[in-house]
Amino acid sequence: QKEVEQNSGPLSVPEGAIASLNCTYSDRGSQSFFWYRQYSGKSPELIMSIYSNGDKEDGRFTAQLNKASQYVSLLIRDSQPSDSATYLCASSTNAGKSTFGDGTTLTVKP
Amino acid sequence: NAGVTQTPKFQVLKTGQSMTLQCAQDMNHNSMYWYRQDPGMGLRLIYYSASEGTTDKGEVPNGYNVSRLNKREFSLRLESAAPSQTSVYFCASKPTNQETQYFGPGTRLLVL
Repeated sequence: QKEVEQNSGPLSVPEGAIASLNCTYSDRGSQSFFWYRQYSGKSPELIMSIYSNGDKEDGRFTAQLNKASQYVSLLIRDSQPSDSATYLCASSTNAGKSTFGDGTTLTVKP
Repeated sequence: NAGVTQTPKFQVLKTGQSMTLQCAQDMNHNSMYWYRQDPGMGLRLIYYSASEGTTDKGEVPNGYNVSRLNKREFSLRLESAAPSQTSVYFCASKPTNQETQYFGPGTRLLVL
């Protein structure tokens, strides 16, 4: 079992819809969780981080964390074609190393 | 600030050749990382350095060596390249008081 698993893609949503990306992790020692966006041929860039149970909102993005279920999600509201990218979920322990999932590719169709 | 820079951007090697990938950051971060990303996959940690003078193995260290030359620079060396090392290599850095990593633009390596 991979340490960080993401729902298999690709995911396609129409413009203006909500995109839902999911991730589970196996290491109960994980303290910090991240969503990175990676455009094709580019490097990952951080879009959300979450450290405690519940929801964290930033503009059109909402990250949700449930440590009991070892589950992290990212919701993108009012999806735009510019949101089309691969989204990487990552977890980190206090040791400073992050473990990444394989990513979910999102396509937002105009 | 340039952030995290990597050289070269592209490289083609023949099997058995050696090369060093360079990474530098100007953000005064203590921690630095080397990852590889194969097509359709996430990032796998090769080596990391929590601070100047220290290095540790990650998930996939075989076939690689690293040097933390100073606080700014962290290089990755392939002593004898193999086709299985064809990948995109990303360097990243992280400040001590945060968990967010900042990535360089990547080096695309093809081993024939």
